[in-house]
Amino acid sequence: GENVEQHPSTLSVQEGDSAVIKCTYSDSASNYFPWYKQELGKRPQLIIDIRSNVGEKKDQRIAVTLNKTAKHFSLHITETQPEDSAVYFCAASKGSGTYKYIFGTGTRLKVLA
Amino acid sequence: GAGVSQSPSNKVTEKGKDVELRCDPISGHTALYWYRQSLGQGLEFLIYFQGNSAPDKSGLPSDRFSAERTGGSVSTLTIQRTQQEDSAVYLCASSLEAGGRGGTQYFGPGTRLTVL
Repeated sequence: GENVEQHPSTLSVQEGDSAVIKCTYSDSASNYFPWYKQELGKRPQLIIDIRSNVGEKKDQRIAVTLNKTAKHFSLHITETQPEDSAVYFCAASKGSGTYKYIFGTGTRLKVLA
Repeated sequence: GAGVSQSPSNKVTEKGKDVELRCDPISGHTALYWYRQSLGQGLEFLIYFQGNSAPDKSGLPSDRFSAERTGGSVSTLTIQRTQQEDSAVYLCASSLEAGGRGGTQYFGPGTRLTVL
């Protein structure tokens, strides 16, 4: 069945360093890949997304890359700050005409001051 | 504008009781989703609504779980004869449409259900 694997499950970085979270999906028909950030006790918030017609998208300190051939996509956070500490979830969706997100299991990011 | 809202924010119930969880989607959003998040876990899809109909109920764990949506807006998730393993945060999300560029899902704050 459809599956999204996410690694690592936990990640600790020093403030100012970069963080990278990787996801692999199984359904080659997937063409929309959102990333959500969930702070403790709060709702998941969309931080960036990418569609399969592009290979990379950047928004300030956050970027996402997509490799459709290898069926994996990654979240990159540069110049990390303590407020980046949260759980990050990747998801894959078939996009047009469909609806279901398959979520990864999450990465707990800790940015150490 | 107003985001997705859910009520109650917390619900403590005794094993065997029924509970109802409510979701108010963003106004104008036609698609609505329910997910379950157990402690420290990812998001487990439960059910999806397009308008008032539910084309995909594949994630509902058992027949104790049901959901409805009325007026293309508010949705209620009902769990009958609750069990301790039902304890989790139940998240609702809505999107302008199902899939496509309007398919981005926006989440509510969740209802934390504790079954004693």
